[in-house]
Amino acid sequence: GAGVSQSPSNKVTEKGKDVELRCDPISGHTALYWYRQSLGQGLEFLIYFQGNSAPDKSGLPSDRFSAERTGGSVSTLTIQRTQQEDSAVYLCASSLYAGETGNTIYFGEGSWLTVV
Amino acid sequence: SQQGEEDPQALSIQEGENATMNCSYKTSINNLQWYRQNSGRGLVHLILIRSNEREKHSGRLRVTLDTSKKSSSLLITASRAADTASYFCATAPLNTGFQKLVFGTGTRLLVSP
Repeated sequence: GAGVSQSPSNKVTEKGKDVELRCDPISGHTALYWYRQSLGQGLEFLIYFQGNSAPDKSGLPSDRFSAERTGGSVSTLTIQRTQQEDSAVYLCASSLYAGETGNTIYFGEGSWLTVV
Repeated sequence: SQQGEEDPQALSIQEGENATMNCSYKTSINNLQWYRQNSGRGLVHLILIRSNEREKHSGRLRVTLDTSKKSSSLLITASRAADTASYFCATAPLNTGFQKLVFGTGTRLLVSP
């Protein structure tokens, strides 16, 4: 597609429920990233996929968070048993490839998650 | 932890004036990127500067990088009301690879007509 596409744009969920957030990266981009932005804060790295390599999960805040990327394209971020502190904007990004100093990373519009 | 720190946290100017935002970081980097964010949603990539570059221009934007001081600046010339947004610098630290961009908390720019 023309840009990184995320869905849903907004999600309100009850505490304890599971949520899935979807990301469709730019066509041809092999690298995919998830970031989280809490209110008034900068972005926090969550997870990174590069091609068929094992993902870098070092930023996931707890084992309630998981992500997968099917067929090297679409990714789903899953948050189980949501807590109020999970409320944030979840931003997906993609890039042509990682490993070159001039690699530009493009972000989607984000999914705003509110846990009530 | 946030590596990048933007300064100032908030900036209010009139249309036509120039806006300068600064970013400081802590560790050696591969590159530094500036992004704009409107209304807390998606980030728009503005410019990337490599660690071996000192200055880059893109339209009304001018970015400088001083690796000896571990700092960068973003200058927006002849600002417009549409430039109102939050601006973030993001670094790709050498020791974590290119994928883990580290963001600062941003500068909120308000341009008044």
